[in-house]
Amino acid sequence: EVQLVESGGGLVQPGGSLRLSCAASGFTFSSSWMTWVRQAPGKGLEWVANIKQDGGEKYYVDSVKGRFTISRDNAKNSLYLQMNTLRAEDTAVYYCARDLRWFGELFGYWGQGTLVTVSS
Amino acid sequence: DIQMTQSPSSLSASVGDRVTITCRASQTISSYLNWYQQKSGKAPNLLIYAASSLQSGVPSRFSGSGSGTDFTLTISSLQPEDFATYYCQQGYSTPSTFGQGTNLEIK
Repeated sequence: EVQLVESGGGLVQPGGSLRLSCAASGFTFSSSWMTWVRQAPGKGLEWVANIKQDGGEKYYVDSVKGRFTISRDNAKNSLYLQMNTLRAEDTAVYYCARDLRWFGELFGYWGQGTLVTVSS
Repeated sequence: DIQMTQSPSSLSASVGDRVTITCRASQTISSYLNWYQQKSGKAPNLLIYAASSLQSGVPSRFSGSGSGTDFTLTISSLQPEDFATYYCQQGYSTPSTFGQGTNLEIK
């Protein structure tokens, strides 16, 4: 059974940092593109970043470029999102998702999400 | 970035109704269009991929169609468990983008 479990969310002040983790199991993690998607309270879904199987390609939405860094550790079956210089508008539930890549980007498995709240 | 526009934003319907949700892309995306269902407080769930392919385990009352820029999600006979928010997503180019969502409510 595929499982994705996010952790690391919490309350942080504007300008602060947080590192999210996603522990993967039940599939060959090292063979999958992985993605972070976020959802602000009461709002829709926003793609944040993704990373290729070997970590050699990484892409970001413009609003987080230069502030967020996606990474992975295939030996630990783990995905990460380092978030720096956080802003109030980064407040959201952050989901990690497995990109099945059957036909372009498509997210077949999702974690339960971890809430990040940026507030003073 | 490709913009995805869903309509309607909200919809009231009854059990047994046939419902259609539309999604329009700001440029052609071939058939790289996926649909998700999200229930309150839960993660999204993939329903349809590649515009018309039903994800394993998804009831056959869900169907998708379209190509290019215009797509539809149809639920042939609404069941109580179908009341949720639905999102389209383009997987054609990075960054991937989602529609704003369609909230399907019980009439």
